[in-house]
Amino acid sequence: GAVVSQHPSWVICKSGTSVKIECRSLDFQATTMFWYRQFPKQSLMLMATSNEGSKATYEQGVEKDKFLINHASLTLSTLTVTSAHPEDSSFYICSARTSGTQYFGPGTRLTVL
Amino acid sequence: QKEVEQNSGPLSVPEGAIASLNCTYSDRGSQSFFWYRQYSGKSPELIMFIYSNGDKEDGRFTAQLNKASQYVSLLIRDSQPSDSATYLCAVNRYNTDKLIFGTGTRLQVFP
Repeated sequence: GAVVSQHPSWVICKSGTSVKIECRSLDFQATTMFWYRQFPKQSLMLMATSNEGSKATYEQGVEKDKFLINHASLTLSTLTVTSAHPEDSSFYICSARTSGTQYFGPGTRLTVL
Repeated sequence: QKEVEQNSGPLSVPEGAIASLNCTYSDRGSQSFFWYRQYSGKSPELIMFIYSNGDKEDGRFTAQLNKASQYVSLLIRDSQPSDSATYLCAVNRYNTDKLIFGTGTRLQVFP
């Protein structure tokens, strides 16, 4: 149980375009999901907390207008990186919370050319 | 002082030995403690969690929590080369959904 999926697993896009990443809890409902970013050889950095039916809560320094989060249902949260730039290239990982524990998706590797 | 501190390693142990990974945290209000394993290029996977003082065993893994000392550890018995990964300690503070992660300890198990 407690399986979280992400799609796509990797994406390459041109600078200035937008990319949407989906995070799904497959076998449980999650009122709260989280989005992290991880640069090579660095630790996880929490970007935002996504709450079903309400606005996401962003961490300090994360631009909410650049990283749009939508948690439209109890099993789906999406992260849209708008007007992507090469410095946005990173490993984006979501997690979903159930029974007090966070389970991570497999991650999405974004490369912006 | 970081909220959750781990030695970055690498911690090198021979196959079959016990690997001991340590983590300290600064917030006494912390309630839940988690260990995740992250292989290079992959996302973290949950190994185990612990809420109460003492030991909790799951197969080859034992988590130990000492709230008075603000210390949580993970023991891996009969270490295997496949255990080579970065181990992340995470702490859930009281009344919050967020996890605070340490920077991780890299474990190397050599044959």
